Amino acid sequence: AQSVAQPEDQVNVAEGNPLTVKCTYSVSGNPYLFWYVQYPNRGLQFLLKYITGDNLVKGSYGFEAEFNKSQTSFHLKKPSALVSDSALYFCAVRDGQTGANNLFFGTGTRLTVIP
Amino acid sequence: KAGVTQTPRYLIKTRGQQVTLSCSPISGHRSVSWYQQTPGQGLQFLFEYFSETQRNKGNFPGRFSGRQFSNSRSEMNVSTLELGDSALYLCASSLGTSSDTDTQYFGPGTRLTVL
Repeated sequence: AQSVAQPEDQVNVAEGNPLTVKCTYSVSGNPYLFWYVQYPNRGLQFLLKYITGDNLVKGSYGFEAEFNKSQTSFHLKKPSALVSDSALYFCAVRDGQTGANNLFFGTGTRLTVIP
Repeated sequence: KAGVTQTPRYLIKTRGQQVTLSCSPISGHRSVSWYQQTPGQGLQFLFEYFSETQRNKGNFPGRFSGRQFSNSRSEMNVSTLELGDSALYLCASSLGTSSDTDTQYFGPGTRLTVL
């Protein structure tokens, strides 16, 4: 069975500081991992994904994520936060072994960047 | 390329009624997946359609159904609406290859309110 945990409901960070949004996962086979962002009254916007290869994945808007197989984690990071980064962030996993296309999502982390 | 479009954006219905939501995928995408987003349950997978066939299904009652047309457009139907069906319904499209490169792109969602 697949599952994703986002242990923090809320993360506050000052503008210009680095930010981290945490995610851990559980899958039977190889994990395909994704980060999406949701702004108010909008759908989910794709940020980045890890399939295989380098553990550090770079995505849109300066975001990156680090895959750690031993800790089953896929934390989202950004070196310098902007006020416009304030939004709801979702981590998701797809099991590469099953071939099924559906995503399992975490409960989301609300990021607030304080000016 | 135009993104995923969903219509209508907002719907208000009463208990016992039925509703149909529509989704037009990104051009060239053959897979359409539907998700329900609620504050209590988060993001949950409903079903996926590929080449006019339901390929994958989540754990929802039979009141939730869908279909896909030859142009890959998809509709989702909910019959005998209940108060608990109030949610944001998100549609996502992808190539549908189930390969590791396949990424789901989401529409803005349809906000359904059941009174």
